[in-house]
Amino acid sequence: QQNVQQSPESLIVPEGARTSLNCTFSDSASQYFWWYRQHSGKAPKALMSIFSNGEKEEGRFTIHLNKASLHFSLHIRDSQPSDSALYLCAVGTGGYKVVFGSGTRLLVSP
Amino acid sequence: EAAVTQSPRNKVAVTGGKVTLSCNQTNNHNNMYWYRQDTGHGLRLIHYSYGAGSTEKGDIPDGYKASRPSQENFSLILELATPSQTSVYFCASGRDRGQAETLYFGSGTRLTVL
Repeated sequence: QQNVQQSPESLIVPEGARTSLNCTFSDSASQYFWWYRQHSGKAPKALMSIFSNGEKEEGRFTIHLNKASLHFSLHIRDSQPSDSALYLCAVGTGGYKVVFGSGTRLLVSP
Repeated sequence: EAAVTQSPRNKVAVTGGKVTLSCNQTNNHNNMYWYRQDTGHGLRLIHYSYGAGSTEKGDIPDGYKASRPSQENFSLILELATPSQTSVYFCASGRDRGQAETLYFGSGTRLTVL
């Protein structure tokens, strides 16, 4: 049974700071990894995905994946108040099975 | 962008009553999913469907039924609602049968069972 854990549970950072969110998973057969972002009262929306070891950058956002350590992370450069949201990591092993973490609530203070 | 619409947005039901949550997608995606979101638990999969006429049990199906009468529509049915089913429910659609599949979510239905 896949176990996906996120840390920290919540985070407050000043505007302009670099933010790091973490996700660990238990199934070494996991192949697909996403970060979703959910603004308050809104639908979760896919932010970024990565399917092989290494790093992927899109604008201010970077994902790192290390399958050997069962860990992936999301880094936000120059954090903005509009980045304040619940961030959910999701891990897939194929088929329908995608397991979500419980989320990190990020608040970026102006 | 993918469009998934849920109704109603908010619902108050009584214990023992029947509740139906509806979801419509205009993306022509084969796969549709029902999740519930509770604080501390993230999104948990209730039921899913690979196409019209099919429904499958997810991780927490007890107390829920699902119906997929067409490609576009997917319903979640609570035959005998209980207070423990108070939650926010999200419907999602996806194109690629679970493989590198990005999910597109609706805006959610907040259900309160009294």
